[in-house]
Amino acid sequence: QVQLQESGPGLVKPSQTLSLTCTVSGGSISSGSYYWSWIRQPAGKGLEWIGRIYTSGSTNYNPSLKSRVTISVDTSKNQFSLKLSSVTAADTAVYYCARFRGDNYYFDYWGQGTLVTVSS
Amino acid sequence: QPVLTQPPSASASLGASVTLTCTLSSGYSNYKVDWYQQRPGKGPRFVMRVGTGGIVGSKGDGIPDRFSVLGSGLNRYLTIKNIQEEDESDYHCGADHGSGSNFVVVFGGGTKLTVL
Repeated sequence: QVQLQESGPGLVKPSQTLSLTCTVSGGSISSGSYYWSWIRQPAGKGLEWIGRIYTSGSTNYNPSLKSRVTISVDTSKNQFSLKLSSVTAADTAVYYCARFRGDNYYFDYWGQGTLVTVSS
Repeated sequence: QPVLTQPPSASASLGASVTLTCTLSSGYSNYKVDWYQQRPGKGPRFVMRVGTGGIVGSKGDGIPDRFSVLGSGLNRYLTIKNIQEEDESDYHCGADHGSGSNFVVVFGGGTKLTVL
């Protein structure tokens, strides 16, 4: 059973960079046709896709966040990471990492989510 | 890219049935949509994918037979029969669009289902 776990600071100051890591267990991040993704959810609102990475390093980003987002992968640690620069209060949300199936095109495994608050 | 629209709330009595709707924006009637269930305080869980021909592929792990889908025109429906307390959740629909460097995923605003 694949499991994903987000980790990182729960509080980030405005204008700084938010950094999160997702650790994958129960399977290799390099195997299969999967894309490793980040999604966020502000309190009381819907889901917003941030972006995804393939183990080759190929990425796709939400156009509305593209200028501030970097997603990277470390196959040796079975982890992938999110960096979001120049954060504001609008970036306060629960951040989820998830696995996207490249064959059937849906998110089949999700982390439990981690709350990141942007505040001074 | 498509815009997905969901009513913010729905309710149904225990043991009754409810149908949740996800509406695609004009011009995207051939798109498939994925339904996700999100119980309070938890991450989302894949329910199933739906196109105009109905379910695409298989249901998510542990999704009971009480859950079914239909698709018609711009609408994608999730029906839950014999509603149980455990079905009280937020339900999100999502769709992928594009390929290669233009790939994106979009979600609707979610529908909060209350079991009365």
